[in-house]
Amino acid sequence: GAVVSQHPSRVICKSGTSVKIECRSLDFQATTMFWYRQFPKKSLMLMATSNEGSKATYEQGVEKDKFLINHASLTLSTLTVTSAHPEDSSFYICSARPGGSYEQYFGPGTRLTVT
Amino acid sequence: GENVGLHLPTLSVQEGDNSIINCAYSNSASDYFIWYKQESGKGPQFIIDIRSNMDKRQGQRVTVLLNKTVKHLSLQIAATQPGDSAVYFCAENSGGTYKYIFGTGTRLKVLA
Repeated sequence: GAVVSQHPSRVICKSGTSVKIECRSLDFQATTMFWYRQFPKKSLMLMATSNEGSKATYEQGVEKDKFLINHASLTLSTLTVTSAHPEDSSFYICSARPGGSYEQYFGPGTRLTVT
Repeated sequence: GENVGLHLPTLSVQEGDNSIINCAYSNSASDYFIWYKQESGKGPQFIIDIRSNMDKRQGQRVTVLLNKTVKHLSLQIAATQPGDSAVYFCAENSGGTYKYIFGTGTRLKVLA
């Protein structure tokens, strides 16, 4: 149980284009989903917290107009990287939290490469 | 902040030996702590957790120790195996929010 999927697993896009990453909780309803970014050999950095049906809360220094988050249902959140640049190349990981729990279940990550 | 981009420390251990991975957490109000294992190109994998009302918790081959006085968390892996080679992260959660703060991570290398 408690499986989280991400799609795509890896994507290459050209500079200036937008890329959408999906995060799904497959066997539970996620009250909250989180988006992290991880650069090579570094730790996970929380980008934003996404609650179903409400606006995402972004961490300091994360541009909300660049990283658009939509949490339209209790099993799906999407992260759209708009006007991507090479410095946005990173490993993006989502996690999902069931209601009433502190536990987060992590997805397998999405490798974004912007050329 | 706690997740500044520092160089990833490495712990090398001989196969069969015990491993101890340490983590200093930042917030004295944190009440839930988790250890994750991350293999290259994959998402974090849950290993073990502990709440602040405990100082020790054991799982299969793993033990987590919590010292709230000095804000220190450790992960002990018994009889380390080649499959344990990965990067290990601690994470803390403050009761006021559901957000996790991740430590900088430690790379564990198991030598045959």
